[in-house]
Amino acid sequence: NAGVTQTPKFRVLKTGQSMTLLCAQDMNHEYMYWYRQDPGMGLRLIHYSVGEGTTAKGEVPDGYNVSRLKKQNFLLGLESAAPSQTSVYFCASSYREGANIQYFGAGTRLSVL
Amino acid sequence: AQSVTQPDIHITVSEGASLELRCNYSYGATPYLFWYVQSPGQGLQLLLKYFSGDTLVQGIKGFEAEFKRSQSSFNLRKPSVHWSDAAEYFCAVGARVGYGNKLVFGAGTILRVKS
Repeated sequence: NAGVTQTPKFRVLKTGQSMTLLCAQDMNHEYMYWYRQDPGMGLRLIHYSVGEGTTAKGEVPDGYNVSRLKKQNFLLGLESAAPSQTSVYFCASSYREGANIQYFGAGTRLSVL
Repeated sequence: AQSVTQPDIHITVSEGASLELRCNYSYGATPYLFWYVQSPGQGLQLLLKYFSGDTLVQGIKGFEAEFKRSQSSFNLRKPSVHWSDAAEYFCAVGARVGYGNKLVFGAGTILRVKS
């Protein structure tokens, strides 16, 4: 049972480059989320999706775009990376019903030079 | 707006000693409350959750937490800490957003265990 899988695990970018982070879940969850984790700030929600084809902004959406073309996948894109986007990125997913317990991937560590 | 405060950035305890990690939240309605643990280089693992009912909830790895509405607190406890408990702990409150919930996290508490 893979759960939530994030690729890649590590990436180094130069300022201005673009990249896409992939999140895949095999639990048939309706909801998916992207967070960033920075020291001393906990996790902050970037974007989330309540279903295939729908996305919405979280707390810190600037500089990121997302797409949910398939229920099991949630993509996070950086069009023009900036050093401020150096962070650890976590994807999570949950069912729609109930209190939405979220299950997390192992994270992607991104450095922007 | 919802918020979570974890007052202690770092805590060091001796192996075998008891542990309490503090968490205070701000939320207008009845909250969903969670504790997650993150080992170095790993993702977040759910330790326990409070939805309703009994205010003392049991979790995995021998952890428990008590919901106190009057104090807006959800403190995490363990009677005897093991070296493997060294990790970062996050308290979170589930906040309604659209048709679902999002989690608002505290800044985390890093637990060090000394032998």
